[in-house]
Amino acid sequence: GDSVTQMEGPVTLSEEAFLTINCTYTATGYPSLFWYVQYPGEGLQLLLKATKADDKGSNKGFEATYRKETTSFHLEKGSVQVSDSAVYFCALGDRGSTLGRLYFGRGTQLTVWP
Amino acid sequence: DADVTQTPRNRITKTGKRIMLECSQTKGHDRMYWYRQDPGLGLRLIYYSFDVKDINKGEISDGYSVSRQAQAKFSLSLESAIPNQTALYFCATASGVNTEAFFGQGTRLTVV
Repeated sequence: GDSVTQMEGPVTLSEEAFLTINCTYTATGYPSLFWYVQYPGEGLQLLLKATKADDKGSNKGFEATYRKETTSFHLEKGSVQVSDSAVYFCALGDRGSTLGRLYFGRGTQLTVWP
Repeated sequence: DADVTQTPRNRITKTGKRIMLECSQTKGHDRMYWYRQDPGLGLRLIYYSFDVKDINKGEISDGYSVSRQAQAKFSLSLESAIPNQTALYFCATASGVNTEAFFGQGTRLTVV
């Protein structure tokens, strides 16, 4: 079945450090891949997405490339800020699945110190 | 106003009580979802609905029920609350499986 595995946290970085959060997936059909972010006390919101192999999603300095050969969608940012502190979720939506649902990873807590 | 509104935002209830969490959306989406979030476990799907006449169980539906009263409204009920149902609950909507999902701000439920 479909699933998402992401790097467990927590991740603690200093401001301006480089960030990578790993995400790998298993899918039976033609997945779209997403990164969602959850700021303290809020619901999840879409950070970026990619709908087919080799697509790169980007937003707010974050990037992730859909790698079909490695079934990965790692999140990266070159220079994190304190305001990036949040929980990040990798997710998969499989158009080829009859279930039509989203699959989420367990989330990675990021804390950025000044 | 928020696109996806959950009520209440916080609730404390006693073991054995029936409680309903409500969700309404203004996005016009057919798909609506209820998730539960627990520390270290991420988001787990409780129920989802693709239209008013379509209700599907998710990974952890035991102890929960839902009602899709209209396209815009999807409520989650705990028939007899128990302490291990203490969690943060999220409602979400989407227009399709490969499109953005929109989340409510969550309901923090504590069962004592």
